[in-house]
Amino acid sequence: AQSVAQPEDQVNVAEGNPLTVKCTYSVSGNPYLFWYVQYPNRGLQFLLKYITGDNLVKGSYGFEAEFNKSQTSFHLKKPSALVSDSALYFCAVRDPMYTGTASKLTFGTGTRLQVTL
Amino acid sequence: DGGITQSPKYLFRKEGQNVTLSCEQNLNHDAMYWYRQDPGQGLRLIYYSQIVNDFQKGDIAEGYSVSREKKESFPLTVTSAQKNPTAFYLCASRGGTSTYEQYFGPGTRLTVT
Repeated sequence: AQSVAQPEDQVNVAEGNPLTVKCTYSVSGNPYLFWYVQYPNRGLQFLLKYITGDNLVKGSYGFEAEFNKSQTSFHLKKPSALVSDSALYFCAVRDPMYTGTASKLTFGTGTRLQVTL
Repeated sequence: DGGITQSPKYLFRKEGQNVTLSCEQNLNHDAMYWYRQDPGQGLRLIYYSQIVNDFQKGDIAEGYSVSREKKESFPLTVTSAQKNPTAFYLCASRGGTSTYEQYFGPGTRLTVT
């Protein structure tokens, strides 16, 4: 069965510094990977995805993520953090072996990013 | 959140009452999903529907029911059989078969006392 791990409950970073939010996955075959962001009392917003191709994926709001097959990781990064980036971030994976059309995703437990001045 | 609406934003019910959460989308998406979010547990799939008049149980379907009579609508009923119904409920939808990401509504926070 597929699974996603976000090893850090919270990440703290100063504004202007680079940030990394970690995600590791476990699936059979090549995964489809996603990052979402959630602001308080709101739904999830899609940031970026990796399906195939270049290992470095660029997404919304200046975020990017690096797919590393050997380390089974898909870490979210941003070169310079903003206070407004403070939110809850979720990594998700779709099992490529799943043959149905429903595109079921498995989500991690989330990492809270706190950016301070 | 654009294109997917959930109502109401906050809902309060007494224990033992059934309650229905609304989810509507105007994105012309075929697939729709219901998730439950609890602190520290991420999102868990309750039900999903790939097309009208068809739906499947997710990982935590017990105590919930759904219907999909129209493409745009996928209401979720939280029944009195759900042992711990207080949670944040999120509806999502997905476009064509080549699009894998899901798009989420703003959520409904249900409190049962």
